[in-house]
Amino acid sequence: DVKVTQSSRYLVKRTGEKVFLECVQDMDHENMFWYRQDPGLGLRLIYFSYDVKMKEKGDIPEGYSVSREKKERFSLILESASTNQTSMYLCASSLGPGRKGEAFFGQGTRLTVV
Amino acid sequence: GENVEQHPSTLSVQEGDSAVIKCTYSDSASNYFPWYKQELGKRPQLIIDIRSNVGEKKDQRIAVTLNKTAKHFSLHITETQPEDSAVYFCAASRSNSKLTFGKGITLSVRP
Repeated sequence: DVKVTQSSRYLVKRTGEKVFLECVQDMDHENMFWYRQDPGLGLRLIYFSYDVKMKEKGDIPEGYSVSREKKERFSLILESASTNQTSMYLCASSLGPGRKGEAFFGQGTRLTVV
Repeated sequence: GENVEQHPSTLSVQEGDSAVIKCTYSDSASNYFPWYKQELGKRPQLIIDIRSNVGEKKDQRIAVTLNKTAKHFSLHITETQPEDSAVYFCAASRSNSKLTFGKGITLSVRP
């Protein structure tokens, strides 16, 4: 069974902290994504990675960075957390170009920055 | 980049009626169009998808149609049931790469 696992379901951090959100997939997928979900705004793409060490900015990359050192793991980093980064964060993965495009999502991490 | 618009933001139908949800996209090079369903408190899951070389695809009570000329695609749900109540997201991408989602529509099916 396909599995995308995010390291935490709930996280509370202080303003200014450096925050790491981890995502692991066990499907040997090339593509991995980080989205942010806010009411009324849908799923907004933060960063996308199509291979190890390869990344592409999404629609809202400001204040975030990512790391993909291994194919199965994609990390989202909040360099200095701010209250406007309080949100639900969803990781997803899919096969690479030219192949079946279904994206599988993790269970989400609800981050609260206080 | 790609821009996916989804309107309206909410839709309410009577159980047994049909529901149609529409999306438009901006990038004419997009060729993959999935629909995801997200139930309350759960992760989004794919319910149906279509590629640009196909005009329509059906799976039991759900179908998707694509109009490449007008750059819009629609989700059709027939004989709606209360368990169809959820948030539905459309998305678009080029060749299974960066996936851009619409803002989602909340479908309520009244018993």
